[in-house]
Amino acid sequence: AQKITQTQPGMFVQEKEAVTLDCTYDTSDPSYGLFWYKQPSSGEMIFLIYQGSYDQQNATEGRYSLNFQKARKSANLVISASQLGDSAMYFCAMDIRVDNQGGKLIFGQGTELSVKP
Amino acid sequence: DVKVTQSSRYLVKRTGEKVFLECVQDMDHENMFWYRQDPGLGLRLIYFSYDVKMKEKGDIPEGYSVSREKKERFSLILESASTNQTSMYLCASSPSGSTADTQYFGPGTRLTVL
Repeated sequence: AQKITQTQPGMFVQEKEAVTLDCTYDTSDPSYGLFWYKQPSSGEMIFLIYQGSYDQQNATEGRYSLNFQKARKSANLVISASQLGDSAMYFCAMDIRVDNQGGKLIFGQGTELSVKP
Repeated sequence: DVKVTQSSRYLVKRTGEKVFLECVQDMDHENMFWYRQDPGLGLRLIYFSYDVKMKEKGDIPEGYSVSREKKERFSLILESASTNQTSMYLCASSPSGSTADTQYFGPGTRLTVL
């Protein structure tokens, strides 16, 4: 069965330092997508970064990068130069296809990141 | 910019009431989704829809139904609200059925059932 696991319920990082948020996944489908979302205290889910299972290079978006290790089935999010505004809940998600019509997401439990000044 | 709106940010209802949560997207997306979010459980899919008048059950459909009469609008219905349906409800939309299409979320509705 497809599954996403985030083992860090909460993390602290000092402002301006880098932080890695862990995500492992389980699927037998050869084609899948991995996403990271940020959820500030306001509640809205904000898309951060996407990695396709066939992508050769790790995805990057500004200060966000995705450390994709396919053999280990891991898709860790790396945030460089943390800012106070990065304090939020972070969710890892995987897109799976249903009856050849993809787009269904399954989510991990989330990691709450707190950035210290 | 994609915009997904939900009818209420906060809602308080009584046990047994019929509750409607409305979601509207303005980007002509085919796919729409309803999730509920509970602490420690992440987001769980309730129902989704790939087209008008089409619906598919997600992982936790019990106690819920949905309606999609127009492409831009996807409604979640709690036929008889119960206290265990107190939760944050998030609506999302995406443009097509490939694995590369990002889902865009609304601001969420925090529902309390007394």
